[in-house]
This record gives sequence, C-alpha cells and structure tokens, in this order.
Amino acid sequence: ETGVTQTPRHLVMGMTNKKSLKCEQHLGHNAMYWYKQSAKKPLELMFVYNFKEQTENNSVPSRFSPECPNSSHLFLHLHTLQPEDSALYLCASSQEKGNQPQHFGDGTRLSIL
Amino acid sequence: GENVEQHPSTLSVQEGDSAVIKCTYSDSASNYFPWYKQELGKGPQLIIDIRSNVGEKKDQRIAVTLNKTAKHFSLHITETQPEDSAVYFCAGGSQGNLIFGKGTKLSVKP
Repeated sequence: ETGVTQTPRHLVMGMTNKKSLKCEQHLGHNAMYWYKQSAKKPLELMFVYNFKEQTENNSVPSRFSPECPNSSHLFLHLHTLQPEDSALYLCASSQEKGNQPQHFGDGTRLSIL
Repeated sequence: GENVEQHPSTLSVQEGDSAVIKCTYSDSASNYFPWYKQELGKGPQLIIDIRSNVGEKKDQRIAVTLNKTAKHFSLHITETQPEDSAVYFCAGGSQGNLIFGKGTKLSVKP
C-alpha cells in the first residue's frame, strides 16, 4: 500500500479519444506531481501542483491537461495523443514542493494505438 | 540544464555479494539526494535519502555516501538477496524539483 493510488492501471486508447488519469493520495501532502516514464530514459517531470496551484509546466504539449481540485486529488486529461505518448505515467506527492521525499503511485500504463 | 548521470545501467551480482551504484550531478546547488527502488509493475519506492550536510547515511544493509566536492553520490547494498533485484534510480534535488538518473537494473543471482 503506497498511500498514492492511481487509476486506471492500464489504458489503451486511440489517437482521437479523450480519457483521464486519476491520482489520489492519502498522506496529507500538499504537493502533487505528474511524471512520464519511458524505457531507457530518466523520469520526466510534467507538472507540479503545490497547495492546489500549478507551479510548474515542464514544456508539456497542450494535449495533456492537468487538474488539481484539492490537495488529495490530481487528474491528467488526455486528448488527441500521439503514439510517442505511450508510456507509464506516474503520480507522486510530497509534504510540500521542494527538496523533500516524494511518494509514488504504481502508475498508469498508457498505450496509444 | 541540470542532469544526473547514473552508472552502471545493469549490474549482476551473486547473492551475498555487495552492489554499488554511482551517480554524478551537475548542479552544485543540489542539496537533497534520494534513492528509489522500482520493482516490475510498481512505482518507484523511496529506500534512502541524504542531504548535503551529511556525508554518509546507513539503514541496515543499505548505505549512501555523498561527496559534494566531486558532486557524486553512491548507493551501497551489502549482503544482497534475490529480493533486492529491481531497478534503482538516483535523483538530485535542484531548484525544488528532482532530477532523476536513467536507472540501474540490479540482478541478484541465488
């Protein structure tokens, strides 16, 4: 039990579909993150939220749209994705944004047809 | 930009031997260095971390050393067991974000 829950665990979608990834943390943290993990590459930070405010958008294409309605929930809305977007998408949380331990969920494995 | 180099990319050891994974970082302002273990089908799990005001930290069979002058840090696993087999990631905290290495796949042979 990681304290950070991601759903769905697997998602297959066509390039014209719209879907959303969900992340929920039960740790009382105030910062949440989206990362992209591809084979043979380091984890890529996508978005950061601190106290529900987006503090970082790491040059992510607009076809990825994050939403953070409260400190416990984080969404990643997907539309018109490309095959190169197939990857493992990881959510993480920490007490606050900064150089602190981040706790990860088990990810959503996304495949774009 | 900031980056973290991690070596080796794969490491195979015999059960009971020690394993060492090394990382170097470029941002001299980095002051937080966590290590994560990722098992198949799971997310990364924090196993140990160290801050720049400390040179070494140990937790049972796992230890991390930090050399700020040389800008490198290492993970040491002693008395390895098959359940230590996983991918290990180092990271450096830079400007409030973590910069990750590419990972080391550790295989412990029984």
